Order: sequence, then C-alpha cells, then structure tokens
Amino acid sequence: DTGVSQDPRHKITKRGQNVTFRCDPISEHNRLYWYRQTLGQGPEFLTYFQNEAQLEKSRLLSDRFSAERPKGSFSTLEIQRTEQGDSAMYLCASSISSGTGSGETQYFGPGTRLLVL
Amino acid sequence: AQSVTQLGSHVSVSEGALVLLRCNYSSSVPPYLFWYVQYPNQGLQLLLKYTSAATLVKGINGFEAEFKKSETSFHLTKPSAHMSDAAEYFCAVSLPNTGGFKTIFGAGTRLFVKA
Repeated sequence: DTGVSQDPRHKITKRGQNVTFRCDPISEHNRLYWYRQTLGQGPEFLTYFQNEAQLEKSRLLSDRFSAERPKGSFSTLEIQRTEQGDSAMYLCASSISSGTGSGETQYFGPGTRLLVL
Repeated sequence: AQSVTQLGSHVSVSEGALVLLRCNYSSSVPPYLFWYVQYPNQGLQLLLKYTSAATLVKGINGFEAEFKKSETSFHLTKPSAHMSDAAEYFCAVSLPNTGGFKTIFGAGTRLFVKA
C-alpha cells in the first residue's frame, strides 16, 4: 500500500493556460474523489468516480473543468482557460466501497497546489 | 441538507493541556462523522470516525471524540497536548446509503500548541 499520490505537487501557470493534474489512488480502491481547498477552508467536493464511471459532479465544477478515470485506476483533472480564482489546493482521495454507502474511509493524497498568475 | 460547523477557527493551548475542538453537524438522517488532521502542505489524514457503533470513538495519537445526538455534536478531545499536535483539524459529515455520496467538511480549526 503506497498511498494516494498526486502529480505535480505544485503548478504555477498564467491565466488562460490549461493545466492537468494526475491522481493515482490506492490500487484496490474503486472510488476516487476530487476536492478543492482554498486557504482557510475545508475541502470542497468536486467530483466522484466509482471505477471508471463519474457518478457525481458538484456545481462548483464549471464547464472549464473535466475529470476522467479511463480505466478505473488513475484519474486526471483538467482545468481549461485557467482563472486566478482557480488558485487552490486540489486534493484527491480514494476509498473502497463498503457496501453501506458513505461510511468508508477516504484516503487523501498530498494535493496539487495551483497558482494562477 | 447536511452541514458542519466548527466553532473557532483558531485554538491555542499550552503543551500538556486539554485539547477540545468543537464540531456541530446538521443532517436529516443519522450521519457518519469524521475528524481529519492536515499538516502544512500535506493531504488529510483520518484521526477517527463514527459509524453508529460506540458513541465514544478513539482515534490515533491519543485523540477521541464523542457523538452526542441530542446536541448534534462530535467534539474532538485529547487529554494532554503535544507540540506535534499543532495542525489544522477538519470535522466532516457523510450520509449513509446514498448512491453518489459526498462528504461535507467544516472550515477547519487550526490548533496552536505553546511550549
């Protein structure tokens, strides 16, 4: 169990550029989540995958954001035409479904900190 | 709708003193409740979780939390603070048995530990 990894750890970009982040979950975990965390706030849910299916998206996820999990393993989060307001920490978490819904533990990666200039 | 309120964005204690971080939740059904800790530039680490078993939940690093349904609270405590406990703590609520579920986090409480 190597834990959840995210790449890159830091990204600085200019407004209007596209960025892509990668998340590698714990290998046997079938659920994967993306969150956004701004300074002084808790993580905010963005989207959620069960295997390769994207089952839920927050209204925070504008049409400039897209996430994929093509083979049910790693996931990517792309932000197109970045804006300064996109500056935040993007966290990925994974879990294994317990069959009872929301009680399973989410394991978080170290996050990708994005700064849009 | 479910929500989480953490009372106090900052808490300062002396080393060896009691740590009490407050969390109140709102949920239309019995929730699952979590406490996570976040150290600078790191992801969140689970401290403990309540899943409708014992109301007093023991976690890692000497932390524990008590679920009080009548008060809709899930406060986090530790009898004696250590310098290494300085971090940001997040309370979270998650609904059971929802299809595409999500977890709602509080805004966090930053714990400072004075020598």
